[in-house]
Amino acid sequence: AQSVTQLDSQVPVFEEAPVELRCNYSSSVSVYLFWYVQYPNQGLQLLLKYLSGSTLVKGINGFEAEFNKSQTSFHLRKPSVHISDTAEYFCAVSARETSGSRLTFGEGTQLTVNP
Amino acid sequence: DTAVSQTPKYLVTQMGNDKSIKCEQNLGHDTMYWYKQDSKKFLKIMFSYNNKELIINETVPNRFSPKSPDKAHLNLHINSLELGDSAVYFCASKDRLSNTEAFFGQGTRLTVV
Repeated sequence: AQSVTQLDSQVPVFEEAPVELRCNYSSSVSVYLFWYVQYPNQGLQLLLKYLSGSTLVKGINGFEAEFNKSQTSFHLRKPSVHISDTAEYFCAVSARETSGSRLTFGEGTQLTVNP
Repeated sequence: DTAVSQTPKYLVTQMGNDKSIKCEQNLGHDTMYWYKQDSKKFLKIMFSYNNKELIINETVPNRFSPKSPDKAHLNLHINSLELGDSAVYFCASKDRLSNTEAFFGQGTRLTVV
């Protein structure tokens, strides 16, 4: 079984400031890692994913995340945020070797970008 | 073209009613899911189907019954609706073999009054 912990439930920042949303996971098997974004009253959109290879992955909208196996973390970063980045962000994992395996989500981090 | 589409987007109904939510995906995926997002935005899996076969059935009241007529459709029927069923329900699909990301529908906001 897998579990995901998002360390901050709410992150308020000012526009153009850098931001980091923290995610730690626990799993007895190898996993794939994902960040999804949910804008108000919308569905979930994939921001980025780590499957294998380089531990630094780049996603849409200028976001990137770094996989750290020793710390079992997958923190999301953006060097300069915009008002439009205000949304709920979810970290998720799925078991690598199990075909069709479920996504297990963290509890979400509400990013609020203020002018 | 919407990859994963759910209908309706909003559903308001009285306690005790029976309702269905439909989901269709045009991605050619063979695995589909239903997730429930509660008022605190926590996402929890309810069911998963692979090629019309139920493979995940979490601890969900048996008032909830998924139906998959073919691998592109996964509907959710809910009997005797209760206030606590109010939530946003998301359908998702994934390609079983590549087993990477899941694609989500826009959600159905169910409000039981």
